[in-house]
Amino acid sequence: GDSVTQMEGPVTLSEEAFLTINCTYTATGYPSLFWYVQYPGEGLQLLLKATKADDKGSNKGFEATYRKETTSFHLEKGSVQVSDSAVYFCALSSGNTGKLIFGQGTTLQVKP
Amino acid sequence: SAVISQKPSRDICQRGTSLTIQCQVDSQVTMMFWYRQQPGQSLTLIATANQGSEATYESGFVIDKFPISRPNLTFSTLTVSNMSPEDSSIYLCSVTAGSSYNEQFFGPGTRLTVL
Repeated sequence: GDSVTQMEGPVTLSEEAFLTINCTYTATGYPSLFWYVQYPGEGLQLLLKATKADDKGSNKGFEATYRKETTSFHLEKGSVQVSDSAVYFCALSSGNTGKLIFGQGTTLQVKP
Repeated sequence: SAVISQKPSRDICQRGTSLTIQCQVDSQVTMMFWYRQQPGQSLTLIATANQGSEATYESGFVIDKFPISRPNLTFSTLTVSNMSPEDSSIYLCSVTAGSSYNEQFFGPGTRLTVL
């Protein structure tokens, strides 16, 4: 069945460091790919998405490119801030069911 | 987008009892889902709540344990029945809005602790 694998956390960075969180997927067909973020004490929010190969999703300085050849959707940010500290979830949705399959989540901690 | 509210926001329950969680959306939505997030874990889909018919459950989840209702296009309930400590989790409602199946909005979640 479809699945999503994320890099293990926690990831600890200093402010202004470069961030990469790896995400790879297994799916039949052509899924849509998402990054969700969960800030401490808050609900899950959509950060960015890409619906077809080579699409780049971007939001709040974060980017991820849908790479069909490597079945990846890695999240990047050039300069992280303390306020980016959160749990990040990679997810996919295939077909018209709307169902999301989530990776295990990666905790990011940014220190001043 | 859609604004989603859930009640209760949190509860502490005794083993063997049941709790019903409500999910209210501010607009009519196509699809509604219920997810579970166990402590320190990712989200797992419990079921798709179908308007006017029985919910569609994922493998490992059954109607007797997690009965779901969806009487209209803006409201759904999830009941956690005969609870045990293993049911301690955050339960989240989510919806897709408009004609796109490609974007889901999540409610704030209900944090359940079973003693």
